[in-house]
Amino acid sequence: DTEVTQTPKHLVMGMTNKKSLKCEQHMGHRAMYWYKQKAKKPPELMFVYSYEKLSINESVPSRFSPECPNSSLLNLHLHALQPEDSALYLCASSKVGFVETQYFGPGTRLLVL
Amino acid sequence: AQKVTQAQTEISVVEKEDVTLDCVYETRDTTYYLFWYKQPPSGELVFLIRRNSFDEQNEISGRYSWNFQKSTSSFNFTITASQVVDSAVYFCALIGNQFYFGTGTSLTVIP
Repeated sequence: DTEVTQTPKHLVMGMTNKKSLKCEQHMGHRAMYWYKQKAKKPPELMFVYSYEKLSINESVPSRFSPECPNSSLLNLHLHALQPEDSALYLCASSKVGFVETQYFGPGTRLLVL
Repeated sequence: AQKVTQAQTEISVVEKEDVTLDCVYETRDTTYYLFWYKQPPSGELVFLIRRNSFDEQNEISGRYSWNFQKSTSSFNFTITASQVVDSAVYFCALIGNQFYFGTGTSLTVIP
């Protein structure tokens, strides 16, 4: 089973709202990732968690706040977003590190009004 | 510097035609990994293949085949007898000390 689940599938939020994206995997993977993907562009890495610790933050604005409560779960807390943050947010996981194959979830399509 | 180039932005083929998607990479790392992912309109990135820099064997999986040539820094992907379900954006990616996606090739298979 190589399934990564993400909720919600779609999210519309205003610039003053606070919302969270959720990602879950039960493959025993110890690395989890958040990517942002704009239309017709490749995914851009945002954060990497390794063994529940944040190991990479690609200079992401603080209005995005990741959290890894346990090895199966990864959250992305959103606050005071801008319309340009509208995108597809993809979660991925891999066995251990970066060089392992990453398995992606279906993504959350976010629209910021 | 590391870089992945997918020069073909969009390709259209008629069903049952063969199609090759090109991927050229640059890296100074001696150990690196190359990937192909498929992204259908639904949005999920589907893993297709992973190849490390020491393994230049070509691979075939059903209608899919991959040609890895270190001499030309290329990792091309061929779909034989294309089908409508192959319509998607295909990304080539490189992992050395960082993860790099190419810009993707949008493939449309016309029935």
